[in-house]
Amino acid sequence: DVKVTQSSRYLVKRTGEKVFLECVQDMDHENMFWYRQDPGLGLRLIYFSYDVKMKEKGDIPEGYSVSREKKERFSLILESASTNQTSMYLCASREGGRDQPQHFGDGTRLSIL
Amino acid sequence: EDQVTQSPEALRLQEGESSSLNCSYTVSGLRGLFWYRQDPGKGPEFLFTLYSAGEEKEKERLKATLTKKESFLHITAPKPEDSATYLCAVLGYNQGGKLIFGQGTELSVKP
Repeated sequence: DVKVTQSSRYLVKRTGEKVFLECVQDMDHENMFWYRQDPGLGLRLIYFSYDVKMKEKGDIPEGYSVSREKKERFSLILESASTNQTSMYLCASREGGRDQPQHFGDGTRLSIL
Repeated sequence: EDQVTQSPEALRLQEGESSSLNCSYTVSGLRGLFWYRQDPGKGPEFLFTLYSAGEEKEKERLKATLTKKESFLHITAPKPEDSATYLCAVLGYNQGGKLIFGQGTELSVKP
């Protein structure tokens, strides 16, 4: 079975803090993704990675960065957290072909105070 | 512009009352259409992939179908445990591997 694990289910941080969200997959998938999900806006892609040390901007990368030092781990970094980054963050992974499904973790609900 | 629209936004059914959810899409060359189920506070769970018009996939009480403009998720004799938000996502040839998600249909099945 596919397993994508996000390190925290709930997280509360303060404005201006640097925040790290971690995601690990155990399927040896090449592709990994970070989304945020907000009511009325659906899922929006922040960043994705096709390989170790590679990253591509998604639709809303501003205020975020990512790191992929190992194949199984993809980290999302909020450089200086702001209240408008309060959201549900979802990590996904996908094996090689673009037409293969993405598999999601259970998400991190992040609140920025 | 590529886009995905799901309807209705919310659907309330009685247990055993069959119905369908709709996913209409506009994309320049469909590469794949994906259905997911999402329970409150959880991540989306993959259900089906459809690749070409006329294709159908089934899993328990769910059946997904695909035409050139839309996909339907048919729910036959639903049970309360089928209550969830159902998401549709589309992959086109010009999207660089990125999925476009619909807003979802929130399904509630009452006993």
